[in-house]
Amino acid sequence: DQQVKQNSPSLSVQEGRISILNCDYTNSMFDYFLWYKKYPAEGPTFLISISSIKDKNEDGRFTVFLNKSAKHLSLHIVPSQPGDSAVYFCAASARDSGYSTLTFGKGTMLLVSP
Amino acid sequence: EADIYQTPRYLVIGTGKKITLECSQTMGHDKMYWYQQDPGMELHLIHYSYGVNSTEKGDLSSESTVSRIRTEHFPLTLESARPSHTSQYLCASSEQVLRETQYFGPGTRLLVL
Repeated sequence: DQQVKQNSPSLSVQEGRISILNCDYTNSMFDYFLWYKKYPAEGPTFLISISSIKDKNEDGRFTVFLNKSAKHLSLHIVPSQPGDSAVYFCAASARDSGYSTLTFGKGTMLLVSP
Repeated sequence: EADIYQTPRYLVIGTGKKITLECSQTMGHDKMYWYQQDPGMELHLIHYSYGVNSTEKGDLSSESTVSRIRTEHFPLTLESARPSHTSQYLCASSEQVLRETQYFGPGTRLLVL
């Protein structure tokens, strides 16, 4: 039973446009969320996080939005660049586990074309 | 960002061999993790550690074992490799704080023939 779902396996966007990556979760105890970016044959790189006390967090070109009532979060990348092409993983941790572990989605492969 | 290292980066090995995947971090992080990931799939936690002499099993059952004798070192061992162990193994570490961020090493791609 997947607790963190990324329903789009892939997304194609043109350079300069906005990329929107979506993530849904089912566990109501999740209240801290992270996005990671992963290139082939490399480990995931942390991008941005958000706790449930916020509904938006911004860092440069990356913004994460959290809708707690819908159990949904999204990562916006504006403007998208070819170097953003990678697999993006959504991850969540729960206060009842002391935030000790992360649960990951299956990832969305983003392709940004010039 | 954490400096975390994994060796080897790639390993091809025959069935029945014993292997140890190395993971070291230089940030003094107390918590360390091992994940297994197959292409197109989520990362599955197989082991984690809160500190020296602490090891816990993760969500995904694994035939591997781990040890934590030093803070900076968290090796993973497979006593007898099988083709079903073919996967990417990712090591991560984090500080012992609330709402931690885990930082990952480059991973080891294991192929068992």
